[in-house]
Amino acid sequence: EMELVESGGGLVQPGGSLRLSCSASGFTFKNFAIHWVRQAPGKGLDCFLGINGDGNRTYYADSVKGRFTISRDNSKNTVFVHMTSLRLEDTAIYYCLKESHFGGYFDLWGRGALVTVS
Amino acid sequence: SYLLTQPPSVSVAPGKTATIICGGDNIGSKSVYWYQQKPGQAPVLVISHDSDRPSGIPERISGSNSGNTATLTITRVEAGDEADYYCQVWDSATDDYVFGTGTKVSVL
Repeated sequence: EMELVESGGGLVQPGGSLRLSCSASGFTFKNFAIHWVRQAPGKGLDCFLGINGDGNRTYYADSVKGRFTISRDNSKNTVFVHMTSLRLEDTAIYYCLKESHFGGYFDLWGRGALVTVS
Repeated sequence: SYLLTQPPSVSVAPGKTATIICGGDNIGSKSVYWYQQKPGQAPVLVISHDSDRPSGIPERISGSNSGNTATLTITRVEAGDEADYYCQVWDSATDDYVFGTGTKVSVL
């Protein structure tokens, strides 16, 4: 069964740093792009970060550019997000997602990791 | 950037039909995807490519897309359909994955 599991969330002070991990199983990890969507309390979904299967192409929303870095280790079936200079508005549940092989949408979501900046 | 607009809420009686719209400029030229998010859970894909149902999604849930509006329809609504529903497209012009504003479906 395919699965994504996020870890590394927690409470951090403004200006602090945190690293999220997304561990995958049940599919050929290196063949798929992985994305991150975050959901602030009571708000909608915001796709803000992604990396292709090879790890040589990434995208960042303007809101996190220069502060967050995404990478992957295909030997460990894991994607990492290094978050720095965290702001109050970064408080959210962070979901990692597998992009479908058709492209353009997400066919598998993790359960999410809560990041609280306070 | 491309915008997708949904009504904040829809209320429906059990056994009736819920219709959730997703508005976007010429959205009919794009593939639309729908996700269901129940309270405290991660979203789940319920419709892909405008109208395809992934395995395990009941036939009561269907989708369509034309012009400036995509629609998710849930027939014979049950209490278990109470959730937030989000539409999503991939905008090729900007390579962005765009979500709609979300619609909360309440079963009366």
